[in-house]
Amino acid sequence: AQRVTQPEKLLSVFKGAPVELKCNYSYSGSPELFWYVQYSRQRLQLLLRHISRESIKGFTADLNKGETSFHLKKPFAQEEDSAMYYCALSKAAGNKLTFGGGTRVLVKP
Amino acid sequence: GAVVSQHPSWVICKSGTSVKIECRSLDFQATTMFWYRQFPKQSLMLMATSNEGSKATYEQGVEKDKFLINHASLTLSTLTVTSAHPEDSSFYICSARPPGSYEQYFGPGTRLTVT
Repeated sequence: AQRVTQPEKLLSVFKGAPVELKCNYSYSGSPELFWYVQYSRQRLQLLLRHISRESIKGFTADLNKGETSFHLKKPFAQEEDSAMYYCALSKAAGNKLTFGGGTRVLVKP
Repeated sequence: GAVVSQHPSWVICKSGTSVKIECRSLDFQATTMFWYRQFPKQSLMLMATSNEGSKATYEQGVEKDKFLINHASLTLSTLTVTSAHPEDSSFYICSARPPGSYEQYFGPGTRLTVT
């Protein structure tokens, strides 16, 4: 069975500092990895998908199959980045998602 | 963008009663919808995959007779919590996936409190 682990429940950084959210997964096949974000009082929304390899709101994430990781990074955090971030895995495009425990990011002014 | 709504946004019911939660895709048709459950300060746990016109596929450990899922149309899936108990109190979230899309669009969630 697949599993997604986000070791940090809370990350607190100052504005302008780099931020990295860790995500490790276990799955025997070739998964699709995603990062979802939930801002305060808003619904969950897709931030990044590993296949697209694009940067959204300054965030990037690289899939490292050797380390089975999909860490999310942003070089300069902004206050509006304060939110809950979830790493998720699916076996195939459009398939059901397995979520990690989530990491709350707090960007202090 | 694609919008998914849920109704009601919150509901309080008494133990032993049943409550129905609706999930609608407002501007697209969704052959597949997903139902998740989220406990306070915890992550989303998939309960079941709802396929239009067929029976839902439940995750291991989810009682299909307690959490009835109906996906009668391409824009509506319902989750009925039968004979609710206080331990069923939770945040229930649905998502919908347009045909041919990899992306799931999430509803705002429904908070259920069973007294």
